[in-house]
Amino acid sequence: EPEVTQTPSHQVTQMGQEVILRCVPISNHLYFYWYRQILGQKVEFLVSFYNNEISEKSEIFDDQFSVERPDGSNFTLKIRSTKLEDSAMYFCASRERLAGGGSYNEQFFGPGTRLTVL
Amino acid sequence: AQKITQTQPGMFVQEKEAVTLDCTYDTSDQSYGLFWYKQPSSGEMIFLIYQGSYDEQNATEGRYSLNFQKARKSANLVISASQLGDSAMYFCAMRERRVTGGGNKLTFGTGTQLKVEL
Repeated sequence: EPEVTQTPSHQVTQMGQEVILRCVPISNHLYFYWYRQILGQKVEFLVSFYNNEISEKSEIFDDQFSVERPDGSNFTLKIRSTKLEDSAMYFCASRERLAGGGSYNEQFFGPGTRLTVL
Repeated sequence: AQKITQTQPGMFVQEKEAVTLDCTYDTSDQSYGLFWYKQPSSGEMIFLIYQGSYDEQNATEGRYSLNFQKARKSANLVISASQLGDSAMYFCAMRERRVTGGGNKLTFGTGTQLKVEL
């Protein structure tokens, strides 16, 4: 069964360093998302991406964050200068578009990347 | 105001019994979708069940069913015949009116930690 993959599974970095989190969405999916989950808290939306551009972003997604789809398969989240409070699990998700544009199709989540900022 | 409210931070259930996990939501949209995800201790997000706002029947998926009461804005998850492997965090989430260009972010509740006991 196709699945969303994410690398690395765990990333440790020093405060102020840049990190790139990578995701490979399911191959026929067209909509891509990043969410984060601070330890013990709820999952929060960061950004959605469609047709090679950001379609929606949250207030968390400030100028330190960027997303890119550098080729036909990868979807990346870059944090330019990490802060301690960026420590969280980051989930990538993707969704296909069904014929007729039905709104009920689910988002498939990757296994997450645990980011630890020291 | 919270868009998704899960009032039970933790629940215990005996193996083989049914359990209901509560979820209430707040939206002014007529078209929306409600999702339940399971997050085991390993951290991944597993889609369980979906209910559309226009669906007339309650959704069911195997041992999972969704008790959808639109007037009360509640979408409780019912797990029948609980198994030890059901022990996990359960998140209720909502997707509101479709955004042109494919946003459709999910808004999550704070989750309910379910523990299934022998």
